[in-house]
Amino acid sequence: DAGVTQSPTHLIKTRGQQVTLRCSPISGHKSVSWYQQVLGQGPQFIFQYYEKEERGRGNFPDRFSARQFPNYSSELNVNALLLGDSALYLCASSLSLGTETQYFGPGTRLLVL
Amino acid sequence: AQSVTQPDIHITVSEGASLELRCNYSYGATPYLFWYVQSPGQGLQLLLKYFSGDTLVQGIKGFEAEFKRSQSSFNLRKPSVHWSDAAEYFCAVGLTNNDMRFGAGTRLTVKP
Repeated sequence: DAGVTQSPTHLIKTRGQQVTLRCSPISGHKSVSWYQQVLGQGPQFIFQYYEKEERGRGNFPDRFSARQFPNYSSELNVNALLLGDSALYLCASSLSLGTETQYFGPGTRLLVL
Repeated sequence: AQSVTQPDIHITVSEGASLELRCNYSYGATPYLFWYVQSPGQGLQLLLKYFSGDTLVQGIKGFEAEFKRSQSSFNLRKPSVHWSDAAEYFCAVGLTNNDMRFGAGTRLTVKP
């Protein structure tokens, strides 16, 4: 079975632009979470979606938004990009909420110039 | 405040030597505990997890971790390190899986 897939793998944007990152979960997984990993730090939780509803949100500004589609894939949108948004964005999927283990994709590396 | 601390930013060990990576957490209740490994340019791979029961947990690639409630610790160990173990290691905790908190990571270098 395929693991979690993310696209694109790399992305370069300029300040003020908008970006959309995509994630496809493992088949059968209904929950998707997004994390931001700045260079040299651990991942920070942004969102979790389950059954197309937001079930958790980290301490990120409203410029960050996400959604989950009926096939459980997900998009993360970031508006008005700042230099500080440069990071590796990781998507993780799990079967459901609660104690389920999360499986991570390879990430999308975003560079904001 | 809720936190996850990995005191060692960088550790160097010789191939074949034993390894222990430290992790301490600060939460009101016993959280769910995880260790992940990240190779350069890659996502995170789960090594092992602790939810309840036996406090010594076995994981993949020969890793194990021990939960010590009295010390609020969940240290990762491996008896004999291989060159392929060089990577970044992250300890993570979650009161529920909706919000997983990660430590800052420990970078492992393996000397030949």
